[in-house]
Amino acid sequence: EVQVLESGGGLVQPGGSLRLSCAASGFTFSSYAMSWVRQTPGKGLEWVSAMSGSGASTYYADSVKGRFTISRDNSKNTLYLQMNSLRAEDTAVYYCAKGSGNSGSDAFDVWGQGRLVTVSS
Amino acid sequence: SYELTQPPSVSVSPGQTASITCSGNKLDDKYAYWYQQRPGQSPVLVIYQDRKRPSGIPERFSGSNSGNTATLTISGTQAMDEADYYCQAWDTDTAVFGGGTKLTVL
Repeated sequence: EVQVLESGGGLVQPGGSLRLSCAASGFTFSSYAMSWVRQTPGKGLEWVSAMSGSGASTYYADSVKGRFTISRDNSKNTLYLQMNSLRAEDTAVYYCAKGSGNSGSDAFDVWGQGRLVTVSS
Repeated sequence: SYELTQPPSVSVSPGQTASITCSGNKLDDKYAYWYQQRPGQSPVLVIYQDRKRPSGIPERFSGSNSGNTATLTISGTQAMDEADYYCQAWDTDTAVFGGGTKLTVL
C-alpha cells in the first residue's frame, strides 16, 4: 500500500525552528516529486514547497521562501521540511503529499494524515 | 500571482447533480485537479488532468476545463459526497489552490 506518514511538529515560539519528516512506503520514492501542503485550522489548503524525485529541483511558496527548506533522503525514503524563523501565521496542519510524477507539476495523489504546527508564545 | 476562485458553498439534493466551478485566467492552458476533503480527514484526489479519475473514485465524479473555468460535476450525488472540494493548478512551478467549496447534500 502506498503511504506517507508525517512526524514532528508541535508547539514552538515565534522565531523558533522545527523540522517535519515524512516517511514514504509502497512506491519507488526517488521516482516521484514530493510536496508539503498546509491548512490553517478551519481554512483552505496552501501549497508550501515541492522537490523533484532526484532532489535536484526545489520550489517554494513566496510566503515561506528564505525561511523553510525542503530536502529528501532517497536512501531512507524520507522527505523533510526545515522551518526556521517561524511566525504565528505559519500555524497550520502540514501535509506531506506525493506527486503523481517526477517533475513536480502533477497531481498530489497520496496525502499523509497531517501534523499540527503551532507557533505561539 | 495566479488565483483560483471557487464558490464558498454549493447545495444539492440527494440523487441530483452538483456542479462546482473553479475560475482562473486562461485556466484551460493548465491542467486542473480536484480534491475532496471530508471533515477531519486528509484531502483525496478525485480528478486529475482536467477529467481523469484515479482508480477507486466513483464514475459519478467527472471534470471539464474550458476557457477560464474548470468544473467538477457529481452526478447522482450521495450523502457521502458531502465534503469540501478544492481545485488546484500549477502556475510556473507554483501550486495554487482554490479557496474551497463546501458541498452540502440536503
